[in-house]
Amino acid sequence: NAGVMQNPRHLVRRRGQEARLRCSPMKGHSHVYWYRQLPEEGLKFMVYLQKENIIDESGMPKERFSAEFPKEGPSILRIQQVVRGDSAAYFCASSPDGQDGEQYFGPGTRLTVT
Amino acid sequence: LAKTTQPISMDSYEGQEVNITCSHNNIATNDYITWYQQFPSQGPRFIIQGYKTKVTNEVASLFIPADRKSSTLSLPRVSLSDTAVYYCLVGDTIGYSTLTFGKGTMLLVSP
Repeated sequence: NAGVMQNPRHLVRRRGQEARLRCSPMKGHSHVYWYRQLPEEGLKFMVYLQKENIIDESGMPKERFSAEFPKEGPSILRIQQVVRGDSAAYFCASSPDGQDGEQYFGPGTRLTVT
Repeated sequence: LAKTTQPISMDSYEGQEVNITCSHNNIATNDYITWYQQFPSQGPRFIIQGYKTKVTNEVASLFIPADRKSSTLSLPRVSLSDTAVYYCLVGDTIGYSTLTFGKGTMLLVSP
């Protein structure tokens, strides 16, 4: 059973460009979470999605960030007009349901904004 | 969400038992205690979860006193590969669970 997959693993963008981060949850998991980790910091929750629904986006910046989890295909975290402060590791996690503290994390996407 | 406090770093040697304690004085009745491990450049990995008393799995043990205001993760006979950051999380798993990570404890295991 393949784990959570994220791509790309590394992404370099210039300021003002768009970044698209993809996450394929574990087979059978319908709950996806996105987290951001700044250097020397713990992970910060961003958004929680189920298929075609955003359940909780309380950790998402109000502007430039969006997330989706379509009926078919991976979950996408989109960052528009990136700035240097967006440079971080972005982790996706999945779980079979939303009632368990056990989440399965992907390897992360390291975004560098130059 | 209950705030957690844990040591910033710990040092140990191969073969020793390591105990990492986490304080969570404001833990709520519905809160569970969960520990994650994170290696550099990797996503966190679930280690163990408990509500009270003692929980043991193939990786670690979790000790929770009766008042639940703290918990201790015990790693038996650590090896070099146990060098990682360990996070203690407290949260309500009823409904849905969005994990709140602190800065964790950096465990360094030396030969």
